[in-house]
Amino acid sequence: QKEVEQNSGPLSVPEGAIASLNCTYSDRVSQSFFWYRQYSGKSPELIMSIYSNGDKEDGRFTAQLNKASQYVSLLIRDSQPSDSATYLCAVSDTGRRALTFGSGTRLQVQP
Amino acid sequence: KAGVTQTPRYLIKTRGQQVTLSCSPISGHRSVSWYQQTPGQGLQFLFEYFSETQRNKGNFPGRFSGRQFSNSRSEMNVSTLELGDSALYLCASSLGQPPDYEQYFGPGTRLTVT
Repeated sequence: QKEVEQNSGPLSVPEGAIASLNCTYSDRVSQSFFWYRQYSGKSPELIMSIYSNGDKEDGRFTAQLNKASQYVSLLIRDSQPSDSATYLCAVSDTGRRALTFGSGTRLQVQP
Repeated sequence: KAGVTQTPRYLIKTRGQQVTLSCSPISGHRSVSWYQQTPGQGLQFLFEYFSETQRNKGNFPGRFSGRQFSNSRSEMNVSTLELGDSALYLCASSLGQPPDYEQYFGPGTRLTVT
């Protein structure tokens, strides 16, 4: 049974700060890792994908992957109130192409 | 490029009835996956279709079925609805083949079973 673990939060950060969201996964064959943002009442929106160990940056977002530790994280720099949402970590192994989601971390950015 | 569309957006059904949900993927995407989202269980994978064939299936009863058409549009059917089937049903489309595995979600269909 694949598991993806996230701290449910809420994680509260002041505007302009760095928000750090963490995720661990249990299945060592996992190959693809994704971060989604979900606003209340809306569907998940893809923020980042990462497939190799190391860092991947896209604007204010940086995804970090450490396959040896089975750990993936998302950093949000210069956090804005509009970043307040639930952030979902998802993993899949290449063969299955089915995403297994964590329960999400609720982020609150305080103005 | 237009995003993933799902119809209808909202549905209210009675226990025992059946329902069909529709999904149109992003143009050029051949893979369509379906997920169920509930407050208690979170987001769970139902099944994935690629070129009209079911490639993967999650751990849901046989009451949940789907199909994909030659234009990549997909439908999901739930028969003999139960109260516990009330959920947000999400469809996601992707290229479905290496090197890109990114999945993009539609707005979802919110199903309420009474």
